[in-house]
Amino acid sequence: ELKVEQNPLFLSMQEGKNYTIYCNYSTTSDRLYWYRQDPGKSLESLFVLLSNGAVKQEGRLMASLDTKARLSTLHITAAVHDLSATYFCAVDSQGGSEKLVFGKGTKLTVNP
Amino acid sequence: DGGITQSPKYLFRKEGQNVTLSCEQNLNHDAMYWYRQDPGQGLRLIYYSQIVNDFQKGDIAEGYSVSREKKESFPLTVTSAQKNPTAFYLCASSINDAAYGYTFGSGTRLTVV
Repeated sequence: ELKVEQNPLFLSMQEGKNYTIYCNYSTTSDRLYWYRQDPGKSLESLFVLLSNGAVKQEGRLMASLDTKARLSTLHITAAVHDLSATYFCAVDSQGGSEKLVFGKGTKLTVNP
Repeated sequence: DGGITQSPKYLFRKEGQNVTLSCEQNLNHDAMYWYRQDPGQGLRLIYYSQIVNDFQKGDIAEGYSVSREKKESFPLTVTSAQKNPTAFYLCASSINDAAYGYTFGSGTRLTVV
């Protein structure tokens, strides 16, 4: 059974600082997704990573995937308050069922 | 514009009552999913469907039922057997191999009164 673990679950950081959120998963998969959720809102797709070594960047966020290590990272550069949200990673369980398994989410708070 | 629409946005249920949450998509996606989210928690899969007239239970299907009579629609009924239904419900859809992940609806917040 595929398990997806994110850490940290809570992250409080100052504006201007850098930090990384980690997403580990337990079984082979080469598809990983990052989503953002604002309080009381739905999930918005951030990145789709479909192969080993994939790297995607959008603004101050950069995501990467290492399928051999079963690890994805979401790196935040020079954080700003608008990045405060909960970030979820999800992994394609494959094996025919084609459903995503989500991590518990990382609640990011960026303080002025 | 293509998208996925959930209604209502807020729903109140009395004890012992069944309620139905609507989910409609015009993305021509084959697969649709229902998730439940409790405060401060991740997403838990209730039911999913990869094709019309077929659906599978997820991790927490007890007390819920679904139907998939049309490709565009995947309604979720929260039955009186679901003892703790207060939560945020999210519907999602994808192309059948989920290669691009899911597109989510805006959610329905269900409260028991």
